[in-house]
Amino acid sequence: ETGVTQTPRHLVMGMTNKKSLKCEQHLGHNAMYWYKQSAKKPLELMFVYNFKEQTENNSVPSRFSPECPNSSHLFLHLHTLQPEDSALYLCASSQYQNNEQFFGPGTRLTVL
Amino acid sequence: GIQVEQSPPDLILQEGANSTLRCNFSDSVNNLQWFHQNPWGQLINLFYIPSGTKQNGRLSATTVATERYSLLYISSSQTTDSGVYFCAVVDDMRFGAGTRLTVKP
Repeated sequence: ETGVTQTPRHLVMGMTNKKSLKCEQHLGHNAMYWYKQSAKKPLELMFVYNFKEQTENNSVPSRFSPECPNSSHLFLHLHTLQPEDSALYLCASSQYQNNEQFFGPGTRLTVL
Repeated sequence: GIQVEQSPPDLILQEGANSTLRCNFSDSVNNLQWFHQNPWGQLINLFYIPSGTKQNGRLSATTVATERYSLLYISSSQTTDSGVYFCAVVDDMRFGAGTRLTVKP
């Protein structure tokens, strides 16, 4: 238990569905991150929020829409995804941006 | 951005053996982490080690920032050590491709 939770743990969706991934951290951190891990590829940073403000968008397609209502919660809204978006989506947090990161268990997403 | 390379990509050991995993990075770094990803996908923090040496039980890590590399040592390996080990340059939030370790009983 790292103090970072993610729901759901598994998600199967069709290409026309809209769904959201949720991340919550109980560590009092100020920065939160979304990463994507595809099969046989390194983790790729998607978004960074620092004190609720988005500070990094790593050229992520607009079908992925992040939301950070407060420093403890981070969402990733999904719509009109493609099968190649199937991956493990990992959330992390740190005290400040570029500090030691702590990861949640991930959401394994399958797009049909 | 910084390039992060890990070696070897795959490693198979007999239980009880020792191993060294390497992480090279292309530029100077301020923050480096080592993680173990278990079979369920959870990334577990091993070390936050921008420089110097740290030890935690059978695991230890050394980062030589001036030489742009970090090493992770696993001694007396156990089957539960199996999984993928990642190093990450936290400054850039960039991960290496990982070393997949398999420890056989």
